[in-house]
Amino acid sequence: EVQLLESGGGLVQPGGSLRLSCAASGFTLSPYVMSWIRQVPGKGLEWVSAITHYSDDTYYADSVKGRFTISRDNSRNTVFLQMNNLRAEDTALYYCVKGSARTRPYYFDHWGQGTLVTVSS
Amino acid sequence: EVVLTQSPGTLSLSPGERATLSCRASQSVSSTYLAWYQQKPGQAPRLLIYDTSSRAAGIPDRFSGSASGTDFSLTIDRLEPEDFAVYFCQHYGDSRTFGQGTKVEIK
Repeated sequence: EVQLLESGGGLVQPGGSLRLSCAASGFTLSPYVMSWIRQVPGKGLEWVSAITHYSDDTYYADSVKGRFTISRDNSRNTVFLQMNNLRAEDTALYYCVKGSARTRPYYFDHWGQGTLVTVSS
Repeated sequence: EVVLTQSPGTLSLSPGERATLSCRASQSVSSTYLAWYQQKPGQAPRLLIYDTSSRAAGIPDRFSGSASGTDFSLTIDRLEPEDFAVYFCQHYGDSRTFGQGTKVEIK
């Protein structure tokens, strides 16, 4: 069974940093694109970032470009999201999501349960 | 970038009725790369439909997807109590954007 377990969320002050982790199990991480998608509770879904199977390419939403960095460690079956210079508008539930393929086009076929990031003073 | 507009915002129906949800793209897009996700309160989204009309593993056949030009539809035949949820569409051809969601609620 595919499982994605996020961790690392919490309360942080504006301008602070957090590092999210996503531990994957039930499948081998390496062949697939992995993404982070966020959601303000009760609102819609916003794609944040993606990384291709061998970390050759990374992609970011304009809203986080230059502040967030996605990475992966295929040997540990883990994906990371380093979030710097956090803003109040980054407050959301962050989902780790598995892509259906190694490159585009791909849909999101498995989602973690999410980790909550709250940016507030 | 493609904008996906879902309608209606809320659909109020009774169990056993048919639900038809719409997702319209703002520009010409491939009719192949459309996915639908279901989200229940307190849960992560779950893939329902991919490639516009293919059901994901374990999804019952009362769920179906279709396309006509830039208009995509998700139909749920004979609503079951567990189908009342929020549904999001997503086009994954050249973008990663989602529609804003349609809530299917019990009338």
